[in-house]
Amino acid sequence: QQQVKQSPQSLIVQKGGISIINCAYENTAFDYFPWYQQFPGKGPALLIAIRPDVSEKKEGRFTISFNKSAKQFSLHIMDSQPGDSATYFCAVPAGTASKLTFGTGTRLQVTL
Amino acid sequence: KAGVTQTPRYLIKTRGQQVTLSCSPISGHRSVSWYQQTPGQGLQFLFEYFSETQRNKGNFPGRFSGRQFSNSRSEMNVSTLELGDSALYLCASSFGGENYGYTFGSGTRLTVV
Repeated sequence: QQQVKQSPQSLIVQKGGISIINCAYENTAFDYFPWYQQFPGKGPALLIAIRPDVSEKKEGRFTISFNKSAKQFSLHIMDSQPGDSATYFCAVPAGTASKLTFGTGTRLQVTL
Repeated sequence: KAGVTQTPRYLIKTRGQQVTLSCSPISGHRSVSWYQQTPGQGLQFLFEYFSETQRNKGNFPGRFSGRQFSNSRSEMNVSTLELGDSALYLCASSFGGENYGYTFGSGTRLTVV
């Protein structure tokens, strides 16, 4: 069964700093690697995703870096803001495109 | 456009009872997946329905079942509830096929007492 290892478990970053969350996976037959953001009381929301025909994808302050040979991908949040305080999950398709295996989550707190 | 709607938002049930949760996907989405979220196990895949057929299934006991209707709305049922079934149940929808853009609802918080 696919395992997805996400680190760190929690992260405290000052406003304006860079938040970095890492994810490692075992195997997948599908080239799609999303990150989800979840606020308390809400379901996860797709934040950004990458298909590894590129090694990096940037959307605003959010960047995914992908290392296919190492089977790792990471989320970088530049200029972190208090509104970014949430739990972040990486996910990897497991067996089929529609079945996602999620990482254990990273609780990010951005302080003033 | 309307998002994924899950009802009810909160439920309290007693051990041994059964429960039915409902999910209305985004209009035009034909794939509906269900996930269970708990502090201990995180987000775990339950099953996926596409065009009224179960397409994928996770590693949950047979007490967990679901169905999808012709309008893509989906329900999941849990029979003989156990304390460990207390969780946030999330529904996610997408167009299906090779489209990976899953949109989650806000979930149903089930508490079993």
